[in-house]
Amino acid sequence: DAGVIQSPRHEVTEMGQEVTLRCKPISGHDYLFWYRQTMMRGLELLIYFNNNVPIDDSGMPEDRFSAKMPNASFSTLKIQPSEPRDSAVYFCASRTTGNYGYTFGSGTRLTVV
Amino acid sequence: QQQVKQSPQSLIVQKGGIPIINCAYENTAFDYFPWYQQFPGKGPALLIAIRPDVSEKKEGRFTISFNKSAKQFSLHIMDSQPGDSATYFCAASMKGSGNTGKLIFGQGTTLQVKP
Repeated sequence: DAGVIQSPRHEVTEMGQEVTLRCKPISGHDYLFWYRQTMMRGLELLIYFNNNVPIDDSGMPEDRFSAKMPNASFSTLKIQPSEPRDSAVYFCASRTTGNYGYTFGSGTRLTVV
Repeated sequence: QQQVKQSPQSLIVQKGGIPIINCAYENTAFDYFPWYQQFPGKGPALLIAIRPDVSEKKEGRFTISFNKSAKQFSLHIMDSQPGDSATYFCAASMKGSGNTGKLIFGQGTTLQVKP
């Protein structure tokens, strides 16, 4: 298994631009999580899906952030418009029902200038 | 009540030492307590986990000690090696509607093991 695959690994964009981060969970995993990691705030849960349905998006910072999971093998996190304070490492993780251990991807390092 | 408090923020030990990282929680509904290890440029990886019905769990050189009454748990690394240098996160999750398996992470501890 290739694990959780995230793309791109690095993204540098200008303030105001739209950014789309992508995630492919492990096949068969029915939960998918998006986390953001910063030095100040650590690992923050943004949103999670179960069977492609968003369950809890209370961590999404504001309306500029949106996430979708159109099928079991793909999810996106979109920021529009991006701001410098969105600079962080964004992780996607997945797991199966009954197994609470997450598998994380390698993350996308986003820099907004 | 959703927080998990982790200490220390950073830790330096000599090779062979036993670093100890501590975490505390408030919500008694938490029922799963994992530790994750993160190397630079990588995502966190599950290291070891414990449930509140046991007081200790060992996997290789890594041990979790759990104190349910104090609502605390800790990670011990026996015979630490330079390759253990990483950031360690404790976490907690609970069952229940709307919270199934959602992990709440501590702030992380950066461990450096000197040769």
